Amino acid sequence: DAGITQSPRHKVTETGTPVTLRCHQTENHRYMYWYRQDPGHGLRLIHYSYGVKDTDKGEVSDGYSVSRSKTEDFLLTLESATSSQTSVYFCAISGGGGNQPQHFGDGTRLSIL
Amino acid sequence: AQSVSQHNHHVILSEAASLELGCNYSYGGTVNLFWYVQYPGQHLQLLLKYFSGDPLVKGIKGFEAEFIKSKFSFNLRKPSVQWSDTAEYFCAVIFNAGNNRKLIWGLGTSLAVNP
Repeated sequence: DAGITQSPRHKVTETGTPVTLRCHQTENHRYMYWYRQDPGHGLRLIHYSYGVKDTDKGEVSDGYSVSRSKTEDFLLTLESATSSQTSVYFCAISGGGGNQPQHFGDGTRLSIL
Repeated sequence: AQSVSQHNHHVILSEAASLELGCNYSYGGTVNLFWYVQYPGQHLQLLLKYFSGDPLVKGIKGFEAEFIKSKFSFNLRKPSVQWSDTAEYFCAVIFNAGNNRKLIWGLGTSLAVNP
């Protein structure tokens, strides 16, 4: 399996609190992605990065921000968590020019009460 | 808009039955095509991919898929399923693969294989 570590694996927090999820890779891949997975919606792209400090929005970016200060780390931040952001969050990485297969981390299960 | 459609949302089979899961995509120039599997409680894993060449692609665990360009389809097949194939299956496409780096995902097909 690709070297991708997501932390934390599980988190429960309250509405209105900030939350940061971390994705760490050891593959030196240029492309990194954050998805959320919800029943009936499949995987939806939140944000992605195509290099250090280079990021772009996905289809469900409202309420989320990202940062990538190093090749190996891609952070997802919920500035003020809402119950609608309760989900499973997956990080993925892709090598080459970004049109190669994506490899996924184990996911973070986030519950916002 | 570019989209990926998986026709079967839930499939129930008995062991040894043959499997075919449909995947169609909207027109979008050159495409890279993928099938992923997600076993219960796990992350997504790549089953197989198609970029170019032979339209019949073989993947891991005995799965294969056929790219039919005229039908914009990339159906997944397995001749004989096992209980361990119980999982969710996702089709995904990169449209305009020369310039685009985002995957468009189907909503997935949940497969249950009864022993």
